[in-house]
Amino acid sequence: GESVGLHLPTLSVQEGDNSIINCAYSNSASDYFIWYKQESGKGPQFIIDIRSNMDKRQGQRVTVLLNKTVKHLSLQIAATQPGDSAVYFCAENIWDDKIIFGKGTRLHILP
Amino acid sequence: NAGVTQTPKFQVLKTGQSMTLQCAQDMNHNSMYWYRQDPGMGLRLIYYSASEGTTDKGEVPNGYNVSRLNKREFSLRLESAAPSQTSVYFCASTRQKTYGYTFGSGTRLTVV
Repeated sequence: GESVGLHLPTLSVQEGDNSIINCAYSNSASDYFIWYKQESGKGPQFIIDIRSNMDKRQGQRVTVLLNKTVKHLSLQIAATQPGDSAVYFCAENIWDDKIIFGKGTRLHILP
Repeated sequence: NAGVTQTPKFQVLKTGQSMTLQCAQDMNHNSMYWYRQDPGMGLRLIYYSASEGTTDKGEVPNGYNVSRLNKREFSLRLESAAPSQTSVYFCASTRQKTYGYTFGSGTRLTVV
């Protein structure tokens, strides 16, 4: 069925290194993808999005890459900081205004 | 600049009790959503409202009802709470899909 998943449930990264969080999606008709960050006790917060007619989009310290051939999405965080510790969700829009979320990856920053 | 406001933040219910979770947004968004979040399950869509006066089921609607009271408010009702409904509930809104969602801070519900 239509689903969004993540390769790794937990990712540990040294402070200052780059982080890469991966996501696979199964619906080839999805045309819009979003990454959210959720800190403990808070609601998800929008980080960056990308439309299916693009393969890369950059924000401040974050880059999203989209590979439609293999239905893969990744979030790259440059120079990871302690404040980046959170659970990261990818989400895909599969119809109208409804978005389906993946299960999330916890990013743990090592000092 | 309140964004999406959810009340209450915490609630404990006994099995069989009813309650309504409130959600309001002040961004003039058309679409509003209710999600539940369980450990290891990510966010699952319960109900959504694409516009004032319309509501539709999401992935896990059983045991819930919703009301889109006006453009600002979208409430979620549990008529007879069950332990399986213990979860964190998030309300979200968006102007349109390509602008992403704005989430509230959540309601942590425990049913005993």
